Order: sequence, then structure tokens, then C-alpha cells
Amino acid sequence: ETGVTQSPTHLIKTRGQQVTLRCSSQSGHNTVSWYQQALGQGPQFIFQYYREEENGRGNFPPRFSGLQFPNYSSELNVNALELDDSALYLCASSLAWDSVGTQYFGPGTRLTVL
Amino acid sequence: AQTVTQSQPEMSVQEAETVTLSCTYDTSESDYYLFWYKQPPSRQMILVIRQEAYKQQNATENRFSVNFQKAAKSFSLKISDSQLGDAAMYFCAYRSAYNYGQNFVFGPGTRLSVLP
Repeated sequence: ETGVTQSPTHLIKTRGQQVTLRCSSQSGHNTVSWYQQALGQGPQFIFQYYREEENGRGNFPPRFSGLQFPNYSSELNVNALELDDSALYLCASSLAWDSVGTQYFGPGTRLTVL
Repeated sequence: AQTVTQSQPEMSVQEAETVTLSCTYDTSESDYYLFWYKQPPSRQMILVIRQEAYKQQNATENRFSVNFQKAAKSFSLKISDSQLGDAAMYFCAYRSAYNYGQNFVFGPGTRLSVLP
């Protein structure tokens, strides 16, 4: 069974640039969620994708957007990067019909905005 | 909105001893799920244990068990026979049973050190 993978591991960008982060969900999982984890804090929910559509969103501005592909992999796009966007970005996958909704996390992408 | 509080930023325990990590949450919902995740220095969040709110019996997974007090909105994690590999950040998380798309609400975490 393949776990959740994310790429790249680390990324350095400058303010105002755009970035795309990628995630492959665990085998058989059809739902993908993205989280932002600032240093020393707990993860904050960005959004969730199911059947290639966003079906839930946290308190993040529209410059945070995403995609889910037919193979359930996903992308997180952030436009007009700000210094405060520096964080660990976590992807998590789950099964839509698992009522408990247990999420399985990837290792994260560390984004640094200079 | 739901909130999760972990009042112990840091804890330490002697190897082979028992430690309890605290978590409280605030919600007006009656049905929900609670989780403990572990995040070692490798950064990957690992599920430790989960609890359905409608179940009165406390969940147990090997050396890990919870004390779920629904009325008090408390969900503590007990680690027995602590091992060096247990050293990590531990996050308590809440998920509503009514709004699947809103996902998890995490607490700020507790850093656990295990002393040899």
C-alpha cells in the first residue's frame, strides 16, 4: 500500500511569486485535504477536494486554490506569495465513505518566502 | 466554531514511565470524532488513536489509551511504558460528524520529550 507523497520537499520563493505544491494520495483514497502549519503551531485547514471539486474550505483567501485530478492526486496553488505564507504545507488523504474521516498525512512541503 | 486547546506546550517523561497529555475542546455539536496525531522531527503526522463521541468506551491502541470525558469536553492521551521513539509533537484534533468538508480542527500541540 502506497502512502501519501508530496513534492517538492523544500521550496524557496520570493514575495509576489506563485507556487504549486503536489500531492499523491494514499492508494484507494478519493478525498484530499490541504493544511498549512506555521512554525510551532498546529495545522490549519485550507481546503478539501472530492471528485475533483472543492467541497470544504477554511479561512484562507482566494489566492490559495487547488485542483484534484481523476487519479485523486492534487495540487495546491498559491498566488502573490506573502512572507506569512512561509510554512509547512501538509496534504492528507481519506476515504469519502469512512464516516470517521481518518486522514493520512504526507511528509509535507516546507515553503520559505523571502 | 470549534476550538481545541492543549494547555501543556511541553512535557517530559522518563523512559518506561507513564505520561498523560491533556486536550480540551469546545463545541455545541453532539456527534463528532477526536484524534491524537504524533508528529516526529521527520514532520509526517502519524495517527495515534481515535475516538467516536457516541462511544462511551475509551479507545486503546497498545500502549496508548484515552480518557474521554464528553460532558467535560476533555480528551486526554495516556502513554504507558514510554519509549524513546515516542518523543514528538502530539496534536489533538476534532472533526465534526455533521460537516465532513470542514475537516479537522487541531490544537497547538504538546512537545513530548522522553528521557533515557
